[in-house]
Amino acid sequence: KQEVTQIPAALSVPEGENLVLNCSFTDSAIYNLQWFRQDPGKGLTSLLLIQSSQREQTSGRLNASLDKSSGRSTLYIAASQPGDSATYLCAVRLEYGNKLVFGAGTILRVKS
Amino acid sequence: DAGVIQSPRHEVTEMGQEVTLRCKPISGHNSLFWYRQTMMRGLELLIYFNNNVPIDDSGMPEDRFSAKMPNASFSTLKIQPSEPRDSAVYFCATGHPTGSSYNEQFFGPGTRLTVL
Repeated sequence: KQEVTQIPAALSVPEGENLVLNCSFTDSAIYNLQWFRQDPGKGLTSLLLIQSSQREQTSGRLNASLDKSSGRSTLYIAASQPGDSATYLCAVRLEYGNKLVFGAGTILRVKS
Repeated sequence: DAGVIQSPRHEVTEMGQEVTLRCKPISGHNSLFWYRQTMMRGLELLIYFNNNVPIDDSGMPEDRFSAKMPNASFSTLKIQPSEPRDSAVYFCATGHPTGSSYNEQFFGPGTRLTVL
């Protein structure tokens, strides 16, 4: 059974810092991995999607990497801003079927 | 496109009542997913459809839960009878066709359900 773990569970940093969020999964048979952002009381916003054949994806100040063989992904946020404060979730899509398995998320707070 | 549309956004009901949640997918997406989010269990997939056909309902907690997708533009998730432990945020998500090399899921704003 695929399990997804995110570390740390919560993170508080001063504005301007670069930071890394970690995601690990137990079964490397994945189709892709997706990072989401969730603001309090809101739905999920897709940030980046990495196909299993890719190593990384970039969007603005965000960079996500994927090491499928070791079951790890990282989300790098450069020059963090208070507006980045949210919960960040990673999810893996299983190789067979359409299911996404989610981690519990990392709650990020960027202090001004 | 308006994105995934869910209604109602908030629902407060009493134990034993029937609850119906609704979802309109993004046009052209033929995969639709119902998730439930709670503090204790995080995000859980309840059921998903491909081309209006239920593919995997192993996440549906009990027979009290049922989901339908009568056509490509509408889906419902029904709870009958509702119980306080069903209180959660229910999300609908839709995605590009299965097998597409770009298989991203897009989430609706969710329905916050409170069962008293």
